[in-house]
Parts: sequence; C-alpha cells; structure tokens
Amino acid sequence: DTGVSQDPRHKITKRGQNVTFRCDPISEHNRLYWYRQTLGQGPEFLTYFQNEAQLEKSRLLSDRFSAERPKGSFSTLEIQRTEQGDSAMYLCASSLGVRNEQYFGPGTRLTVT
Amino acid sequence: AQKVTQAQTEISVVEKEDVTLDCVYETRDTTYYLFWYKQPPSGELVFLIRRNSFDEQNEISGRYSWNFQKSTSSFNFTITASQVVDSAVYFCALSEAVTGKLIFGQGTTLQVKP
Repeated sequence: DTGVSQDPRHKITKRGQNVTFRCDPISEHNRLYWYRQTLGQGPEFLTYFQNEAQLEKSRLLSDRFSAERPKGSFSTLEIQRTEQGDSAMYLCASSLGVRNEQYFGPGTRLTVT
Repeated sequence: AQKVTQAQTEISVVEKEDVTLDCVYETRDTTYYLFWYKQPPSGELVFLIRRNSFDEQNEISGRYSWNFQKSTSSFNFTITASQVVDSAVYFCALSEAVTGKLIFGQGTTLQVKP
C-alpha cells in the first residue's frame, strides 16, 4: 500500500499567477485534510473532505483558495492570484474515519516571488 | 478555543540521554484525541501515537513512552537512550472528535549530538 502522495513537490511562481496542487490519499481513506505550514510553525488546518463533500473551510482560506475532491478520490488545491504571503508548505493528510490517525504526504513547497 | 502548547522550542541532548518533550492542551470537548508526530529534516510528518480522552493508560513502544494526564491536561513524550536519528521536530496535536481536524503545537526541535 502506498502512502499519501502530493504533486508537485516544489513550485516556484510569480506573484499574481495561479497554482494548483494535487493530493492522492491512501486508497481506502474517506477523509482528506489540507494544512499549511510556515517556517518554524506547526501545520494549520485549511479544509477537509469526507468522501467528495467539503465539510469545513478555515477562516485562513481566503476566496482565492479553492479545493475539490471529485469522486472522493484525489484532491486539488488551487490558489488564484498568488501573493508572497502564500509561500509555505502545503500538506495533505488522509485518514479512515474521524477517530483514526492522519497520514501525511511529503508536502508541496510553494515559493511566490 | 482549543489550543496546544509546547513550551520547549529547542532541546539539545547528548546521545544516550533520556529526554522528555512537554505538551499541554486546552479543550472544552469531553471526547478528543491526542497525537504526536515527528518531522525529520526530510520534512514529512510521521505519525507516532494516538490516544483518546478516555484512555489515560501510559504507553511504551520501544524507546518511546507517553504519559497522558487529564488532571493536568498534559500529554508528555519521553525518549529513552536517545539516538542521533531521533533528531527532528516533534509536534503534539489535538483533534476535534467531530471533524478530526488537528490543532498542532508549535513543535519542539530535538537535537541529539553524538
């Protein structure tokens, strides 16, 4: 069984450009979470899905951010009109139900220049 | 509001020393889960342990042990006979029982010197 995968691992973009990240969870996991981690801080929750339904979005997630999980499989996180403050590591995690541990992917490091 | 505090920002020990990482949490929920994750220099978060709020039994796994005390809202992590490979950032986290979303502490950077 493969773990959680994320693509790309690194992304450098210019301010104002749009970027999209992909997360492939562990295959039988019905819950998928997105977090953002900046240097020296713990990860912060952004949003989560149960199957294909997006159930909660953090107030950290401005209107420029959108996430989808079509068919309850992989998920994408899109950031429109990127700003320098969006530079961070974007982490995806999946779990089998709410009571179980979340397994994290390697993350996508975004640098906005 | 829910909160996790890891007061120790950095700890440095010499190999074979025992080290304890502190974690204090705040929540109004009666059902919740506590976790420890390890983030080595490679960056990927590695799950170490999960405890639910109704199970205060301490747990030992090899050189790792965890002490959960609801009375003091603490979930401390001890590494016995530390090794250089234990060098990493360690995060304590609290999850809501309904959503499962994790609230992380700021992390403790552990450096184990040979």
